[in-house]
Amino acid sequence: GAVVSQHPSWVICKSGTSVKIECRSLDFQATTMFWYRQFPKQSLMLMATSNEGSKATYEQGVEKDKFLINHASLTLSTLTVTSAHPEDSSFYICSARQQGHTQYFGPGTRLTVL
Amino acid sequence: TQLLEQSPQFLSIQEGENLTVYCNSSSVFSSLQWYRQEPGEGPVLLVTVVTGGEVKKLKRLTFQFGDARKDSSLHITAAQPGDTGLYLCAGYNFNKFYFGSGTKLNVKP
Repeated sequence: GAVVSQHPSWVICKSGTSVKIECRSLDFQATTMFWYRQFPKQSLMLMATSNEGSKATYEQGVEKDKFLINHASLTLSTLTVTSAHPEDSSFYICSARQQGHTQYFGPGTRLTVL
Repeated sequence: TQLLEQSPQFLSIQEGENLTVYCNSSSVFSSLQWYRQEPGEGPVLLVTVVTGGEVKKLKRLTFQFGDARKDSSLHITAAQPGDTGLYLCAGYNFNKFYFGSGTKLNVKP
């Protein structure tokens, strides 16, 4: 099956710093990548849709200047949380779609902002 | 926003029992996926259903897509402790996946 990796798997940072999370499709080229965040005991909330070579499309209520997304190649998308604050602490999960209706998820990144 | 509601939210049953989880929406979806997620991990795809009325079986799990492609169900026969986890449905439309609220299943030995 298709494999998607995320790095780092967990990160702790100080308030005000920026954190970059990488999402890679390891054995396929992903035309689209998605970024989600998930709070404890809740479902996934779509943050943005990222297509290779174009600007990301953000969901309503998600600040594009705070959550910077770059999809530089068909196998890599990055999410940068800028000037992170404690309320940004969450589980961030990416997924990659090769074609059709199927997306494959990464293992997630646990972000804790002190 | 295309909302998907799952029920029940929580389910705690004994090993060997059967259960059904429902995923309902007022929107029509091109396809619908079911995932299972363990704590601290990403969701793992169980099945994709595309055609209205479609039924798919995966060992003890049976998935059905409603005729109108607005709803779906997941039925587990003879649940086992290994089935414990968060079950999520997700509808696909317009290049996006819309997730349901999730069903937390606990199967006690």
